[in-house]
Amino acid sequence: DARVTQTPRDKVTEMGQEVTMRCQPILGHNTVFWYRQTMMQGLELLAYFRNRAPLDDSGMPKDRFSAEMPDATLATLKIQPSEPRDSAVYFCASGSGPQETQYFGPGTRLLVL
Amino acid sequence: QQQVKQSPQSLIVQKGGISIINCAYENTAFDYFPWYQQFPGKGPALLIAIRPDVSEKKEGRFTISFNKSAKQFSLHIMDSQPGDSATYFCAARYYDKIIFGKGTRLHILP
Repeated sequence: DARVTQTPRDKVTEMGQEVTMRCQPILGHNTVFWYRQTMMQGLELLAYFRNRAPLDDSGMPKDRFSAEMPDATLATLKIQPSEPRDSAVYFCASGSGPQETQYFGPGTRLLVL
Repeated sequence: QQQVKQSPQSLIVQKGGISIINCAYENTAFDYFPWYQQFPGKGPALLIAIRPDVSEKKEGRFTISFNKSAKQFSLHIMDSQPGDSATYFCAARYYDKIIFGKGTRLHILP
């Protein structure tokens, strides 16, 4: 049963700390997306990659957020330094092509105190 | 212009009734309109999708109606069941990106 996995599932941290979220896309998927979900803004696209190359990160606050794909089986999203307004659920999704169905992971629930 | 507007924010329907969620868009470059279903603690999952050259698509109890001239589309859930209680997102694709509506929290009364 192929699925997107994300770690950690929950993270509580203090303002100013670094947060790293990890995603393992479905094997063979070459497109990876990072989304943030909040009650106020809904689902927002932060960044996405194809074949490990970043294509668009315009939805991401550049000064504190960074996204990478060290290899085809791992995508990371880092926040440094974290702020209370970063509290949200962060989803990773993967797809087998640029216009194919996106499959979402279970999310990382982040709380910054 | 990149927005997808979704209504209502929340909806309560009796078991066996019809649930209807509406969405509207402005950008005529959108080429694909999926609906996602999300249960608490889970990620969104694709439920059903339609392309703009089709006016209706039905899969089981779920139907998308699409009005290209009005730039509107809707999800109908027939014979709604308590297990359908979830948050539903309409969406539209622009090149590689999926633009999501703000979501509708649906509750089906048993």
